[in-house]
Amino acid sequence: QQPVQSPQAVILREGEDAVINCSSSKALYSVHWYRQKHGEAPVFLMILLKGGEQKGHEKISASFNEKKQQSSLYLTASQLSYSGTYFCGTEDLRGGTSYGKLTFGQGTILTVHP
Amino acid sequence: DAGITQSPRHKVTETGTPVTLRCHQTENHRYMYWYRQDPGHGLRLIHYSYGVKDTDKGEVSDGYSVSRSKTEDFLLTLESATSSQTSVYFCAISEAGGDNNEQFFGPGTRLTVL
Repeated sequence: QQPVQSPQAVILREGEDAVINCSSSKALYSVHWYRQKHGEAPVFLMILLKGGEQKGHEKISASFNEKKQQSSLYLTASQLSYSGTYFCGTEDLRGGTSYGKLTFGQGTILTVHP
Repeated sequence: DAGITQSPRHKVTETGTPVTLRCHQTENHRYMYWYRQDPGHGLRLIHYSYGVKDTDKGEVSDGYSVSRSKTEDFLLTLESATSSQTSVYFCAISEAGGDNNEQFFGPGTRLTVL
């Protein structure tokens, strides 16, 4: 079952902050975050693992609440380059045969204006 | 950037014709995946491979078959294309098996079935 992302779209001015949420009905091993610009391939941002720490680089960070099977992506002081569609991909609890398979959410469109 | 290429990049074909898409990697990664991307659905896994000649179905595998005879090549075949298979197809690779199993995506193939 596909994880649910919210909001579906968000519009920001440069310098504003945003939070994108990803929620699953399944017990998760990991959550991946990707960003895709129009006409391009998705690009990996970060992985959060069950039992792992909150991740982040520069002004983009993420958390993983294992009890709620939810992850949130935090974008602070947004830049024009942050515009794109953000996808979460979830990996179910491993039973030795996960093979890294991901189930992606439907995406959140982020638009940053000057 | 990970060395992944897809061919062709664009293809227009007619209903009922066979179509083969190729994914080629130079990273020697064990795991390879085929996704389709449609508006409102995000990325959906079609088939994946966890080694040479080792493949399995994803969530939307009907009408598709795959083959992997070499580590570097993963082929996706539409035996008899239908209009519902009009989509953008992405190949991805991953080392997987460990905790840092981020997926790297190819540039995509835009397929139109008339």
